[in-house]
Amino acid sequence: AQRVTQPEKLLSVFKGAPVELKCNYSYSGSPELFWYVQYSRQRLQLLLRHISRESIKGFTADLNKGETSFHLKKPFAQEEDSAMYYCALNTGNQFYFGTGTSLTVIP
Amino acid sequence: KAGVTQTPRYLIKTRGQQVTLSCSPISGHRSVSWYQQTPGQGLQFLFEYFSETQRNKGNFPGRFSGRQFSNSRSEMNVSTLELGDSALYLCASSWAGRTDTQYFGPGTRLTVL
Repeated sequence: AQRVTQPEKLLSVFKGAPVELKCNYSYSGSPELFWYVQYSRQRLQLLLRHISRESIKGFTADLNKGETSFHLKKPFAQEEDSAMYYCALNTGNQFYFGTGTSLTVIP
Repeated sequence: KAGVTQTPRYLIKTRGQQVTLSCSPISGHRSVSWYQQTPGQGLQFLFEYFSETQRNKGNFPGRFSGRQFSNSRSEMNVSTLELGDSALYLCASSWAGRTDTQYFGPGTRLTVL
């Protein structure tokens, strides 16, 4: 069963516009959720995790247990935000990754 | 600190052959996880090793196996290669696994002809 769903494979926004990358999860336990990012020609790296509740590069994500969502948001997109974004769920035994959303910020 | 390293970076094999991939974790990290990344399926968890023991395993056939050495370096082996095994294989290390932050290597690109 798909544990993490990222409904948008591709997302384009203009520079300065708000951006939201959607992530829904399926897990009956207490979820540990993460966002990973992969910039062009770079390795996959952690962007943020929900338990730290910090903002990285202007991105935030709020865990909504009622809607089982962990959407990634940024109020003003920058060109350097163009990358592949992966939502991930850790159940304590393993990570489950979504299929990713490719974000393009148009200048 | 040096990051996670994977060797080789690229491999070309033919069907039926076997292959061994290597991963050196960040110094001090004891958990190593392996993932298969393909355009259609995204990242799929293969297995995790911690202190030389396989702690968790994903839903892959027995042709996929691994091991971890006392210095935490890990190897992954795929026997009887199939065309569908063509993928980017990523390894990630973390302090103790579980929900720790994972640090990824650059991956090994395996092409099966």
